[in-house]
Amino acid sequence: SQQGEEDPQALSIQEGENATMNCSYKTSINNLQWYRQNSGRGLVHLILIRSNEREKHSGRLRVTLDTSKKSSSLLITASRAADTASYFCATQGAQKLVFGQGTRLTINP
Amino acid sequence: DAGVIQSPRHEVTEMGQEVTLRCKPISGHDYLFWYRQTMMRGLELLIYFNNNVPIDDSGMPEDRFSAKMPNASFSTLKIQPSEPRDSAVYFCASRWDVGQPQHFGDGTRLSIL
Repeated sequence: SQQGEEDPQALSIQEGENATMNCSYKTSINNLQWYRQNSGRGLVHLILIRSNEREKHSGRLRVTLDTSKKSSSLLITASRAADTASYFCATQGAQKLVFGQGTRLTINP
Repeated sequence: DAGVIQSPRHEVTEMGQEVTLRCKPISGHDYLFWYRQTMMRGLELLIYFNNNVPIDDSGMPEDRFSAKMPNASFSTLKIQPSEPRDSAVYFCASRWDVGQPQHFGDGTRLSIL
């Protein structure tokens, strides 16, 4: 069964707006990762946050992790048309990475 | 740097035929993963290797599926005989070590008629 559950399943916003995606999970983790997948391509790693970290930034990306609530969020600021893609959270246990079903993000020009 | 390389990118074949998917991981990565992606089931881990040794194949759907990693730079996923329900995108990924990000190939889109 899937560990991470993303919310919302789909999100459509105007270019320049911020996009927030959420991920909830059920068991303890070593780290949580976010990936992007463009249509017809493989997943691309965006950011990794360890279980002892609460917030991490990378360019226009901001990720938070709340282990007490077993949840994470990905914020993309000042969205661009090129950010249109599916975004997946993945939880890392001892060895394996388990992916959620993803959020389909559409940026409208 | 070359990423993870998968071949073929697309495969269309008749049910009952043998299908072989190939993967070349990033040099120096000790872990290799095979995933299957469908609309209904999302991204599923099929099997993964560490230092060419299969560690967990619990995601392999049935005996028709087999995977090998004869050396550090090559892996295959074989389906024999293939069935229409095997139609999916199959991804290979590699990583350097536990706790490191995975790097994905662009996948093989498999259609079984």
